[in-house]
Amino acid sequence: DAGVTQSPTHLIKTRGQQVTLRCSPKSGHDTVSWYQQALGQGPQFIFQYYEEEERQRGNFPDRFSGHQFPNYSSELNVNALLLGDSALYLCASSSPGQGTFGANVLTFGAGSRLTVL
Amino acid sequence: GQNIDQPTEMTATEGAIVQINCTYQTSGFNGLFWYQQHAGEAPTFLSYNVLDGLEEKGRFSSFLSRSKGYSYLLLKELQMKDSASYLCTLLDSSYKLIFGSGTRLLVRP
Repeated sequence: DAGVTQSPTHLIKTRGQQVTLRCSPKSGHDTVSWYQQALGQGPQFIFQYYEEEERQRGNFPDRFSGHQFPNYSSELNVNALLLGDSALYLCASSSPGQGTFGANVLTFGAGSRLTVL
Repeated sequence: GQNIDQPTEMTATEGAIVQINCTYQTSGFNGLFWYQQHAGEAPTFLSYNVLDGLEEKGRFSSFLSRSKGYSYLLLKELQMKDSASYLCTLLDSSYKLIFGSGTRLLVRP
């Protein structure tokens, strides 16, 4: 089982550019959540996708958008990058079919580290 | 809204026991998780409490008191590999996971 895979692992962008991050969930999982983790902080919830729709969203601006594909993989897009967007972006998958506990035991990918210059 | 408080850093000795405390305020509660995160790696699930009391899993135990808004993670027989950040995490009323800032634990020989 490959677990959750994310790409790219590292990337550098400049202010104003756009970035797309990709995630493949763990086999058997159909729900994908995205988190932003700044250095020394806990992960902050961006949004969650299920059945190709955004199901929940955290306090992030519309510059942050996403998509889920029929094979459950997902993309996170960030437009008009700011210096403050520099962070580790974590993708996590879960399966709501396992009830409250299973639905919220997240399996995280190793993350994509974004640096905005 | 929610607020989670946990110590920023702790240091303990190999073989010892350490308790990481977490207090929280929330308008809705559906459970409390603890995650472990080694530097540069993804968080991994450690424990889940939804009812008051102690949950034990090997060297790790987690306790919850909902009336006090309090939880702790107890690590016994500390090993060097336990050096990591420990994230106290709320499952809120809309079933979103809200992570604390984490407690960085350093285990010394």
